[in-house]
Order: sequence, then C-alpha cells, then structure tokens
Amino acid sequence: QKEVEQNSGPLSVPEGAIASLNCTYSDRGSQSFFWYRQYSGKSPELIMFIYSNGDKEDGRFTAQLNKASQYVSLLIRDSQPSDSATYLCAVLINAGGTSYGKLTFGQGTILTVHP
Amino acid sequence: DAGITQSPRHKVTETGTPVTLRCHQTENHRYMYWYRQDPGHGLRLIHYSYGVKDTDKGEVSDGYSVSRSKTEDFLLTLESATSSQTSVYFCAISVRRNTEAFFGQGTRLTVV
Repeated sequence: QKEVEQNSGPLSVPEGAIASLNCTYSDRGSQSFFWYRQYSGKSPELIMFIYSNGDKEDGRFTAQLNKASQYVSLLIRDSQPSDSATYLCAVLINAGGTSYGKLTFGQGTILTVHP
Repeated sequence: DAGITQSPRHKVTETGTPVTLRCHQTENHRYMYWYRQDPGHGLRLIHYSYGVKDTDKGEVSDGYSVSRSKTEDFLLTLESATSSQTSVYFCAISVRRNTEAFFGQGTRLTVV
C-alpha cells in the first residue's frame, strides 16, 4: 500500500462547478497535510495546508481533513479553466520529537476544467 | 520561487558519466531537499539536508550522492548515470523543520 494515494484522474468538470480532489494516507502518526498545484512543465506550488480535523477555507479552496478516516480532500468552488492542472497531496510522515519528517507525495490528480 | 535557482535547467548526458545538479538558495534556509518526478510515481525524495554537512537519505537514494558545504548550495551527484535516472529533478527548501516545502524550477535530465 502506498503511503499517500490519490486517484490519478483525469477529473473533468465544467466551468463554474465544484471540483473535489481526494487523498488517503496510511500513517496514523501523520500530522500535517498539504495541497500543491502543478501546471504542465512547471514546479509544484503550495496552495493549502491543514493540520487539524475539519475544514479550512481560503478563497475558492477548501481543504478538509478527517484523521480518523485518514482522508484529506480539496474542494475548488467555481472552477475556472485556469484551475486545470495536476493537484498533488503531500503528507508529513514520521515527524516527532527531534526527528525530521518526510514530506511524502501522492502521484497527483489531473484536473481539467472545460468551458 | 522562494529564491531557489537550479542549474542546469536541461541536460542530456551519456550512460556511465557522472552528473552534478546544483541547487542555490538566497535565503539561508536550513532545510533543503532533492526530489525526482516521474510519470506514475509522483515526487519521490532522494536526499535531504538539515544543515551544512548534515544530510540523509530519502526513499530513492541509490545511485545518488549529495553534498552541502555551504548553507546556500545543495549539490546532487549521479555517480554513474543510467537511463533509469532520466527524470525531472526538483530542489526544495523548508523555512522550518517539519513544514511545507517550496520548490525550484526543476532540471530535466535525459540519460542516453
């Protein structure tokens, strides 16, 4: 079982719809969760992070975390064609005390927003 | 880009040759990382550093070595390049321990 899993997609949604991206992780000790966006040929850029159970909203983006179910999601409201990209889920695993946590990535979900 | 510069941006090399990729940062951050990105595998950690001369292995470290003699520079060396090391390599930094990473522009390496 991979430590961080995402559905590779592609996920296709119409402009203006809500895009829902999902990620599961295997290490119950994971503490921090991140969503990155990566346009084709570019480097990943951080768009959201979440540490606590529940929802965290930033503009059109909402990150949701459920540690009991080991599940983190990203909702994009009012999706735009410019949101078309690969979305990477990242989990900080085995961080505690003086150890150095490893930021482990899922394989990414390709999102296409069509006009 | 968090003040991160990777060089070269593109390189083609022959199997069996050594290759060194450079990551330079301008902000004196302590934590630096090298990842590779391949279709179907996402980003995988090769090596990381938590200070000058302090480095450790990631999940795909075989065939790679690193050095960090100055805070600002983190070098990744492919000791004897193989075709399986054809990939896009990203350097990243973290501002604090156990926090998010910020990425450089990437280096596309092709081993023929």
